[in-house]
Amino acid sequence: GAGVSQSPSNKVTEKGKDVELRCDPISGHTALYWYRQSLGQGLEFLIYFQGNSAPDKSGLPSDRFSAERTGGSVSTLTIQRTQQEDSAVYLCASSPAGLNYGYTFGSGTRLTVV
Amino acid sequence: DQQVKQNSPSLSVQEGRISILNCDYTNSMFDYFLWYKKYPAEGPTFLISISSIKDKNEDGRFTVFLNKSAKHLSLHIVPSQPGDSAVYFCAARESSGDKLTFGTGTRLAVRP
Repeated sequence: GAGVSQSPSNKVTEKGKDVELRCDPISGHTALYWYRQSLGQGLEFLIYFQGNSAPDKSGLPSDRFSAERTGGSVSTLTIQRTQQEDSAVYLCASSPAGLNYGYTFGSGTRLTVV
Repeated sequence: DQQVKQNSPSLSVQEGRISILNCDYTNSMFDYFLWYKKYPAEGPTFLISISSIKDKNEDGRFTVFLNKSAKHLSLHIVPSQPGDSAVYFCAARESSGDKLTFGTGTRLAVRP
């Protein structure tokens, strides 16, 4: 497709379970970002992949969060032992290298931990 | 530490009037600024941007102003339309990287 695709669009999980969120970036975009938006909050940076460079993980809130990007394309964000405070909309974005006009975001995954 | 601040969580404007959304930042290393618009259940979409070497950038009804000395930027929408009702996020980038830092957003409601 032409845009950034995220799946699932909604996920309800029980506290303590693991979840995986998927992002398919725009073909050819070398940079991929994960953000999350909690209720009433702005967009919080989580992790950033650029080409073959080591990812910038500085925004991951705890070691329960991890992400990988396979083959420079699809990315998976994994949250282990989910907690209620993990409930948020998780947004993925991609951009060409040398960003000069902004990211393209997906529609997000709304995660609810009950 | 919120490096990009949008102090007005909401704004209501009459259709046809000007909407002014404000954004302040604290990091002097930011050199590129963007505005994103977000509708419910959708991802944010890029609206307009400005480089720190400029003080104004215009695109149709949308104009972004940058005051570097005050570390302040604003988005003007003229004339405002009901379809402009959305949450607007200000974002900034450091000269050394690609990562964007976002504000908390301002919800704009344009009344018919």
